[in-house]
Formats: sequence, structure tokens, C-alpha cells
Amino acid sequence: AQSVSQHNHHVILSEAASLELGCNYSYGGTVNLFWYVQYPGQHLQLLLKYFSGDPLVKGIKGFEAEFIKSKFSFNLRKPSVQWSDTAEYFCAVISSSASKIIFGSGTRLSIRP
Amino acid sequence: GAVVSQHPSWVICKSGTSVKIECRSLDFQATTMFWYRQFPKQSLMLMATSNEGSKATYEQGVEKDKFLINHASLTLSTLTVTSAHPEDSSFYICSAKGLALTDTQYFGPGTRLTVL
Repeated sequence: AQSVSQHNHHVILSEAASLELGCNYSYGGTVNLFWYVQYPGQHLQLLLKYFSGDPLVKGIKGFEAEFIKSKFSFNLRKPSVQWSDTAEYFCAVISSSASKIIFGSGTRLSIRP
Repeated sequence: GAVVSQHPSWVICKSGTSVKIECRSLDFQATTMFWYRQFPKQSLMLMATSNEGSKATYEQGVEKDKFLINHASLTLSTLTVTSAHPEDSSFYICSAKGLALTDTQYFGPGTRLTVL
């Protein structure tokens, strides 16, 4: 069965620091990949998605993610974080043979002002 | 982006009563809707997937007689928690997507259920 792993449960950074959140999935076929963000008290919002083409995907609010097929990874990055990036971040995968999206356990990002 | 709404956003009920939560796609036709449950500081747990006009597909361990799902139209799905108990207290989130696999899945704001 496909699964998604987010190894960082809680990341604490200072403002202007660079961010990289890890995401690995287990599925050998074609996948579509997503990063969602959940700000405190708000609903899930799509940050970015990868379906095909350029493995480096640009999302909203300065986020990007790189799909590395050989490593089964889709890490999220941002060169300089802001206090407003404090949120829960979820990586998600949907395989070409499945109709449902599988979420990782989430990474809580706390930014110190 | 597309909008998915949920109603109510917050409900408190007595143990043994039933609660209905509505999920609507406001500006697109949702061929498929999903219902999730989220416990504090945890990820979303998929409860069931419903396609318009057909019976929902429940995930392993989810009681279909307890959590009744109806997807009567392309813009509305309902989740009814029957004979609710305190352990059913949780945050319930719906999401909706169109027909194509590449369609983005949009999430509702969630409904917080508290069973006394």
C-alpha cells in the first residue's frame, strides 16, 4: 500500500532562515504529489502540486518543491521564512491507480519572530 | 481557487443523538467527495470516498452504519454521525474534486463536533 512519510514532526526556525521539509512516498508507479498548508484555525490550502513536467515546482508564497523520482521524495523548500509561515504542512500523494489522496502525518512549523 | 463549504462549522450535541454535516462545492461540480477526520495535532484520516449517485466507499475500520454518507448531487454531500458518543468528538473535514485525476482536491473549513 502506498504511504507518505514526513520525518520532521516539529521544526522551529527563526525568521529569514531557510526551510526544507522532507517528504518521502512509497509507490513505484506514476504519482501526483501535493503540499498542503493548514494555518492555525484555518482549513487546508493547496501550496503546490506536481503532476508532470519540470520536477521543480513553484507554489504560492515563495514555496517550491522538487520531485526526485529516484529518491521517492518531494521536499518542500523556502529560502527565507516569515513569521506568517507558522502552520502545519502536509505532504500528500495520489497514485495513478488510486482515486484517493494519502496524507503524511504533517510537520508543524514554528517561526520565531 | 475553488470553494468548498461546510455547515455547521461547530456543533455540540448530547450523547445518543445524530448530527448531520453538509459539504458543498460552491463553484464546481464535485464528482468525488471525501470525508476526513482529524484528531488534535494529527494528520487527516480518510473515512470514506463518495461519488455522486453511488454508495460511499468506507476505509477499513470506519463503521458505515455509524457514519452515513450521502452524495445526492454534484454539489452536495452529507455526513451523518448516528447515535453520537463522546469518542466521536473530532474535527470532520470534507473535500471535493472533479472527474479528472489531475483535478485538485479542495478542502472545506471543517466541522468541530463535540459530543457531551
